[in-house]
Amino acid sequence: DTGVSQDPRHKITKRGQNVTFRCDPISEHNRLYWYRQTLGQGPEFLTYFQNEAQLEKSRLLSDRFSAERPKGSFSTLEIQRTEQGDSAMYLCASRETSPRDRGQLNSPLHFGNGTRLTVT
Amino acid sequence: GEDVEQSLFLSVREGDSSVINCTYTDSSSTYLYWYKQEPGAGLQLLTYIFSNMDMKQDQRLTVLLNKKDKHLSLRIADTQTGDSAIYFCAERIGNQGGKLIFGQGTELSVKP
Repeated sequence: DTGVSQDPRHKITKRGQNVTFRCDPISEHNRLYWYRQTLGQGPEFLTYFQNEAQLEKSRLLSDRFSAERPKGSFSTLEIQRTEQGDSAMYLCASRETSPRDRGQLNSPLHFGNGTRLTVT
Repeated sequence: GEDVEQSLFLSVREGDSSVINCTYTDSSSTYLYWYKQEPGAGLQLLTYIFSNMDMKQDQRLTVLLNKKDKHLSLRIADTQTGDSAIYFCAERIGNQGGKLIFGQGTELSVKP
């Protein structure tokens, strides 16, 4: 399977604990996105990377959240001191861009199956 | 601001056509997308349309775009029980790194 891979699929944690999720994008994709989806809602943008550079962070990404993509391949999303309101599905997506057209090429976002976080 | 709205539920009978509607607010949208999400799964890209097109057909799927009214629709012909899922409309705004703004999703229920 050469799609976007996320690990773990499910995570149950107690309030106050730290959690880390991993995303492996499609190998030739240089852009990687994190989204959060709560029950009954559409995905909400959190942050995205162009290779290893984090180019944008949403206001939803509080200082308890940190994302990295150290070698421009896989990415991690860490949540410190989890709260019950952090319970959600965390989705990762990737796409390729062509430097020549400055990212305007319509390569669509390909999503992984997500990590479902439950904070008790 | 950027906002995408969809009706929450749609119920149809197997074999009928389904039409899922979406409205968006940002006139600088470059591409508009339809994604499908089955329970417990991620989002599967169904189809997309460039903002200077009016219509796109792909097998059982027809996308109509009214740019003046900022209205997008997805028609599924001959709807099957396997089409039951949540359908998300999403817009891509120009010069915003390719990120998508999603609607809240329309739950399609197909009855046999």
